[in-house]
Amino acid sequence: KQEVTQIPAALSVPEGENLVLNCSFTDSAIYNLQWFRQDPGKGLTSLLLIQSSQREQTSGRLNASLDKSSGRSTLYIAASQPGDSATYLCAVGGNTPLVFGKGTRLSVIA
Amino acid sequence: GAGVSQSPRYKVAKRGQDVALRCDPISGHVSLFWYQQALGQGPEFLTYFQNEAQLDKSGLPSDRFFAERPEGSVSTLKIQRTQQEDSAVYLCATRGTGVTTNEKLFFGSGTQLSVL
Repeated sequence: KQEVTQIPAALSVPEGENLVLNCSFTDSAIYNLQWFRQDPGKGLTSLLLIQSSQREQTSGRLNASLDKSSGRSTLYIAASQPGDSATYLCAVGGNTPLVFGKGTRLSVIA
Repeated sequence: GAGVSQSPRYKVAKRGQDVALRCDPISGHVSLFWYQQALGQGPEFLTYFQNEAQLDKSGLPSDRFFAERPEGSVSTLKIQRTQQEDSAVYLCATRGTGVTTNEKLFFGSGTQLSVL
């Protein structure tokens, strides 16, 4: 059974700092990996999707990498802003339903 | 519609009551998923539809949970004889017009269910 772990569970950084969120998964036979953002009381917003054949995806200040063989992904956020404060969730899957981690709760302090 | 719409936004039920949660998908989206998210946890898969066919219901926690999508568009998640452990946010998500696997999943804002 696929298990997804996210470290750290919570992170607080000053505005402007670059930061890395980590995600690991136990079964490397995945089709893709998605990073989501969840604001309090809201649904999930898809940030980046990396196909299993890809190594990374970039969108603005966000860069996600995937190392399928080692079962790891990282989400890099450059020049963090207070508006980046949210919970970031990693999910793996494809033909099977997405399996989610518990998320990293990020606070960016102005 | 512009996005996935869920209603009601909040639902308070007394233990033992039946509840029905609605999901309006993005127009034309073939795949529809229901997830349950407990406080401080990631979403947990409940069930999956492709058009009107329920292809996977392995995540439904008990036979008190029932989902349908009779015309391949709107879906309803019904919980009978609610229990306190059913308290959670119920999220609906839909995916593209095809069955390819590398498409983003779009989520609604969820229904927060509180069972007293």
